[in-house]
Amino acid sequence: KAGVTQTPRYLIKTRGQQVTLSCSPISGHRSVSWYQQTPGQGLQFLFEYFSETQRNKGNFPGRFSGRQFSNSRSEMNVSTLELGDSALYLCASSSGGTGGAYTQYFGPGTRLTVL
Amino acid sequence: EDQVTQSPEALRLQEGESSSLNCSYTVSGLRGLFWYRQDPGKGPEFLFTLYSAGEEKEKERLKATLTKKESFLHITAPKPEDSATYLCALGGYQKVTFGTGTKLQVIP
Repeated sequence: KAGVTQTPRYLIKTRGQQVTLSCSPISGHRSVSWYQQTPGQGLQFLFEYFSETQRNKGNFPGRFSGRQFSNSRSEMNVSTLELGDSALYLCASSSGGTGGAYTQYFGPGTRLTVL
Repeated sequence: EDQVTQSPEALRLQEGESSSLNCSYTVSGLRGLFWYRQDPGKGPEFLFTLYSAGEEKEKERLKATLTKKESFLHITAPKPEDSATYLCALGGYQKVTFGTGTKLQVIP
């Protein structure tokens, strides 16, 4: 079974621009979660989607948004980029719904650098 | 609020020197406790899921255990290739909360 894939793997943007990251979950998985990872803050939860509905959201500003398509693929968008948005963005998929009972499997991440 | 704390932050071991990593947690309702391994610049790699106190799981040189307040990742006779950051994650009713990790270095 193919794992979680994320595109692009690397991205360089300038302040004020916007960016869209893509995630394809493991086949059959309906839940997709997004995380931001920085050296100082560790893994921070952004949001979770299940069957095209956002079920949970972390403490991030409205510049961070996402969506999920009917095939479970997900995208996240960051508008008006700031220097502090530079991070590794990780997508994880699981077979279950919301909550912490289901094992999440991670993709390789997208490294975003904001100049 | 669900909380998870990992210790130590960093650990340096000689090859073959066994040790344990700690994950302390507080949660209103535990739904799962997860361990991951992460290499630099890569996504976390799933290791174990534990669901109830007393549960244990093993994989090669790694063994994970769970109590009502803590989880331990025991590493027996580690090798240099075990060097990585080990993340503990707490599954609550609404979401998964990650610890900041233990960076393990195994010296040949």
